[in-house]
Amino acid sequence: AQKITQTQPGMFVQEKEAVTLDCTYDTSDPSYGLFWYKQPSSGEMIFLIYQGSYDQQNATEGRYSLNFQKARKSANLVISASQLGDSAMYFCAMSPDQGAQKLVFGQGTRLTINP
Amino acid sequence: SAVISQKPSRDICQRGTSLTIQCQVDSQVTMMFWYRQQPGQSLTLIATANQGSEATYESGFVIDKFPISRPNLTFSTLTVSNMSPEDSSIYLCSASTSPRNYEQYFGPGTRLTVT
Repeated sequence: AQKITQTQPGMFVQEKEAVTLDCTYDTSDPSYGLFWYKQPSSGEMIFLIYQGSYDQQNATEGRYSLNFQKARKSANLVISASQLGDSAMYFCAMSPDQGAQKLVFGQGTRLTINP
Repeated sequence: SAVISQKPSRDICQRGTSLTIQCQVDSQVTMMFWYRQQPGQSLTLIATANQGSEATYESGFVIDKFPISRPNLTFSTLTVSNMSPEDSSIYLCSASTSPRNYEQYFGPGTRLTVT
């Protein structure tokens, strides 16, 4: 069975600093996908970034990058130059294949950006 | 991309009653899913809604409690039956245009309170 672990219940960061949100995963499948979603207080789930298990390079999307360390089974999200609007819950998730199939979510990290 | 709407956005229901949640996608999608997010918790997959056939339920979720329909490629419903206060959650619909496409879109969610 697949499992996602996010060990940071909450993070507090000063505006404009970079922040790393931790995510480790467990699976015996060679093919899988890793996702990060942002959930603001309004409740919607906003897709941020995706990494396939066979992708050679780390994924990047604007200020978001995914630090993928396959041997360590980690997929940390790095947000550069944090902004007040980045304050939200962040969920790491995993799919059983590299496509967007059913997702298993971690417990989430609440990120607060301080001015 | 796909835009997903859900109805109702929120509801307060009495114990023992049932509520049907609708999920509408603005384009044809291959896969649709229903998730539950209990207060302060992460998302848990309830089932995969299959077009023209019975939904595929995850462990801990049964059809009698959460009947699901998917009559076509753009619409699905989830019914929460014989509700109890433990069913108070946010219910989210998600969809992807292809199992090989990593993009998975979420609806805004339905916030259900059972009294």
